[in-house]
Amino acid sequence: EIVLTLSPGTLSLSPGERATLSCRASQTVDSTYLAWYQQKPGQAPRLLIYGTSNRATGIPDRFIGSGSGTDFSLTISRLEPEDFAVYYCQQYGRSPPLYTFGLGTKLEIK
Amino acid sequence: QVQLQESGPGLVEPSGTLSLTCAVSGGSISNDNWWSWVRQPPGKGLEWIGEIYHSGGTNYNPSLKSRVTISVDRSKNQFSLKLSSVTAADTAVYYCAYNGYYSIDYWGQGILVTVSP
Repeated sequence: EIVLTLSPGTLSLSPGERATLSCRASQTVDSTYLAWYQQKPGQAPRLLIYGTSNRATGIPDRFIGSGSGTDFSLTISRLEPEDFAVYYCQQYGRSPPLYTFGLGTKLEIK
Repeated sequence: QVQLQESGPGLVEPSGTLSLTCAVSGGSISNDNWWSWVRQPPGKGLEWIGEIYHSGGTNYNPSLKSRVTISVDRSKNQFSLKLSSVTAADTAVYYCAYNGYYSIDYWGQGILVTVSP
């Protein structure tokens, strides 16, 4: 089973700044199978990025996914107040468990 | 856009069976995609439980496989989760979801299930 490690655990930034979140896999992940989610308190996760770099429907273009192999990242080019939340990366495997998630990065207002 | 709504008891006794249903609206459960259950213990991360196809095919997380059953009712446009022999460790928010392109595209609002006497 592939383990995903997100870093940093907590990221403190101000609105308008650039945020870069890292997701490192314990084994190579096909870029087709890497996704990112945003979760706000009391809400369900929301799909942001699929296939490493494809934005989901309605996701602003300030959210940019990139990476390959074992190292992936989510960049938020210019933070808006509504972007402060917890972010998860997820990979899809060929055998169960089909979907595994990293533990999350909390993006908080500085 | 597909919408999902979980329902079921919010409190289950230890050693009992957790039973939840997910009602699907805005689309047919017989569409060519899979439907998942995901859970999140309070203050913790996300754990995929399993998935089902409208024909009844399933895949489960090996860590829960011995206790999990996911089923589908196409006539009611819904699918269900049963988790047996529950303990306090099964206390979590349970989400039903619509699978997309190797990702989980749409989520229900979630339902908190507490395992307690």
